[in-house]
Order: sequence, then structure tokens, then C-alpha cells
Amino acid sequence: DVKVTQSSRYLVKRTGEKVFLECVQDMDHENMFWYRQDPGLGLRLIYFSYDVKMKEKGDIPEGYSVSREKKERFSLILESASTNQTSMYLCASSPTGVEQYFGPGTRLTVT
Amino acid sequence: ILNVEQSPQSLHVQEGDSTNFTCSFPSSNFYALHWYRWETAKSPEALFVMTLNGDEKKKGRISATLNTKEGYSYLYIKGSQPEDSATYLCAFLAGTASKLTFGTGTRLQVTL
Repeated sequence: DVKVTQSSRYLVKRTGEKVFLECVQDMDHENMFWYRQDPGLGLRLIYFSYDVKMKEKGDIPEGYSVSREKKERFSLILESASTNQTSMYLCASSPTGVEQYFGPGTRLTVT
Repeated sequence: ILNVEQSPQSLHVQEGDSTNFTCSFPSSNFYALHWYRWETAKSPEALFVMTLNGDEKKKGRISATLNTKEGYSYLYIKGSQPEDSATYLCAFLAGTASKLTFGTGTRLQVTL
């Protein structure tokens, strides 16, 4: 079974803090994705990566950056957290970019 | 940004009821349509990947159909059970795209 893990299930941070969300997959997948999910808006793609050190902007990259130094790990960085970044963050990995395997999500609250 | 819509937004049924919901997507440049089930406190789980017009897929009491010419897919649940309570997401992949576009989901609640 594919396993995608995220570093925290719940996180509370203050406005202006730098926040790291970590995602690790154990299936040697090339592609990894970061989404956020907000009520009434569905899953929206923030960034994705199709190889180590490669990254592509998704639909809503503003205020975020990513890092992929190793194949199994994809990090989402909030350089200066703001209250409008309070959300559920989901990581996914995929061997082909099509069928995706999701982590359990991190619910981030920025106060 | 591609427009993928799901209806209804939420649904509340009794155990044993059959139900269905809709995913609408662009009818041009179709490559694949995914259905996911997302239970509370768990990861979204893939149900079906559909690629051909007229496709019908089934997993237990859950089935899905696909009409790429008119741009819609239906998900059916026969004899709903409380464990079917979840948010059901569809996701569209265009032929030229490298990423999925998700709908807003249908939240299903099944009560005894």
C-alpha cells in the first residue's frame, strides 16, 4: 500500500511566523502535490513537483513556496503566515501524475 | 482555470436509500475523470478512474457512469449505509494538462 504521511495533523501558528509543512511518500513516486481545501471551494492546487528539485506553480501559489530536495519528501513553506492561510492542507503523490494518493491532511490555523 | 462542478453540495439520506450525484466538466479535451471518497479524519481514497465515453464502473454498491460528449459523470450508491457518509470528490484531467482539477465535492450523510 502506498503511504503518504504529513508531519502534523493539527497546527496552530501566529501571523508572521514561517511555517513548514512536510510530506513524505514511500513509493518512489515522481510526482508530488500540495493542495488546500476550503469550504465550498474544493481542493485547489498550490504547487506540484515532477522530479527532485523541480517545481511548478499550481492555481494558487501566492504566499507559498516549496522544496523538493529528495524524491520522497515535498515541503510546503509559508514564508510569513497570514490568517487567510488558515485551511486544510493535503499532500498527494503519484507515479504518473494521474491517479493520486493522498496524505491525511494538516489542519493549519493562523491566529 | 477549468470549471468542474458537483451537485448537490450536500445530501442527507436514510439508511437503505439509493442516491446519486453529478459531476460536470468541460466536454472538450477530455482525458480522464476521477472519483474520490473522503471520509472525515482520513485521506481521500480513489474510487474510480474513468477514461472512455459510456464507461461504467462498479465497486460493491457504488457505481459511476461517464458521458464525455456532454461533460458529466454520475455516481450512484445503492442501499446507502452509515459508512458511506463522506465527501465525494470528482476530478477532471484535460488532455493537455498535467494536473487534476477538482470539483467542490458532495457531502453525503447517511443516518439510521
